[in-house]
Formats: sequence, structure tokens, C-alpha cells
Amino acid sequence: GAVVSQHPSRVICKSGTSVKIECRSLDFQATTMFWYRQFPKQSLMLMATSNEGSKATYEQGVEKDKFLINHASLTLSTLTVTSAHPEDSSFYICSARVPGGGPARTEAFFGQGTRLTVV
Amino acid sequence: EDQVTQSPEALRLQEGESSSLNCSYTVSGLRGLFWYRQDPGKGPEFLFTLYSAGEEKEKERLKATLTKKESFLHITAPKPEDSATYLCAVGGNTGKLIFGQGTTLQVKP
Repeated sequence: GAVVSQHPSRVICKSGTSVKIECRSLDFQATTMFWYRQFPKQSLMLMATSNEGSKATYEQGVEKDKFLINHASLTLSTLTVTSAHPEDSSFYICSARVPGGGPARTEAFFGQGTRLTVV
Repeated sequence: EDQVTQSPEALRLQEGESSSLNCSYTVSGLRGLFWYRQDPGKGPEFLFTLYSAGEEKEKERLKATLTKKESFLHITAPKPEDSATYLCAVGGNTGKLIFGQGTTLQVKP
């Protein structure tokens, strides 16, 4: 399957600082990437859809000024958690959609995830 | 509204004891039903995509099937290394993946 790399895998930051998480598609070009948040023992909740060269589309209830998403190239999307607070501590996961194959092909591959702890 | 429900929430099996995980779904314009495996502290690992009712796919001890309302992930003679959380997701007209809560499988030797 396609390879998606996410970095860093773990990060601890102080309250009030900002943290950037990178998501790269290594062996394909991804016009669309997705950012998810996962709480312990819960499923993945979509935060936003990131489209190369355009503004991200945020899900209802997600603060776009707190979670800044940039998709500057076909292989890289970044999520910046600004002015982080302890309640932002979570597991963040990105995914990238494999292009081609027509509208029925929506397979998405996931990064390894980033464990963010805000102290 | 697109929705996915997985059952059971947790499943404990003895090594070699076959079983099935269920994924019930409602979706507007099914574009694909996906199964993923997730190990603790890791991102989901892609297993299968099913596109239409009646379709089946196999990979080692796993077999996924699909009807118009649900999908099953059959695990035959599981081994301890099959222990993980199995996630089901559907993709519909919205272009987004909607995930179920997952089934946490524990296989004891």
C-alpha cells in the first residue's frame, strides 16, 4: 500500500506554545489529505480536509484559528496547533487519499500518528 | 446521516478460535467500505476495501464480506499477533470517511 509518513511521533510542549505536525505522502502525490483526532479508546474524528493549493475545510466545531492547516505541495500537509492548552492533548493522525481510479476509489492511507501532550 | 456501528466493542478469543466482527452502516451513495487494523499508539493500517454488495476479499487469516447494510470481518484460527483494534469506515458522497468505534480483539495463546 501507499506510504504516509507523519512527524513527530511524540511531542510534549508547554501550554501557550505552538506545535507543528507534518504529514508526507512518500510514494504518491496526494491532492487531498485529512487530519483526525483520536481520544483514548475512541474512534477517529475528522477535523479537517486539506486540499493542495487551497484552504482547508474544517468540520463543525473545529476551531480553524487554533488548528492551522497548510497543504503547500502535493506531498506535504502540516497541522499547527496554536497556543496549545492541556485539553488539546490527544493523538493526531493524518491520512492521504490515493488519486486516480475514478470517483469510486477513495482509499486512504494513514500516517503513524502524533501523540501531543501539553503540560 | 452517514453512520457506522461496530460490534462487539471487545472480543476475547483463544488462539485458533474463529469468529466474526460486525460493521453495520448507513451511507448516502456508498463509494467504499474500508477495514483497518490499529495497534496501540499507531495509525490505522489499511486491510481491505469493498465496493459493492456480495464482494469478498481475503488476506491471510482475515476475510471481509459486504452486504447492503453490513460488513463482516471473519478471522479464521487467529493468532496472538492478530490482537489489535479493527476499525470499519465508509466513504460516501461526502468524500469523507466515517469511522465506527472499533472492535478491540484480544487473542490469548
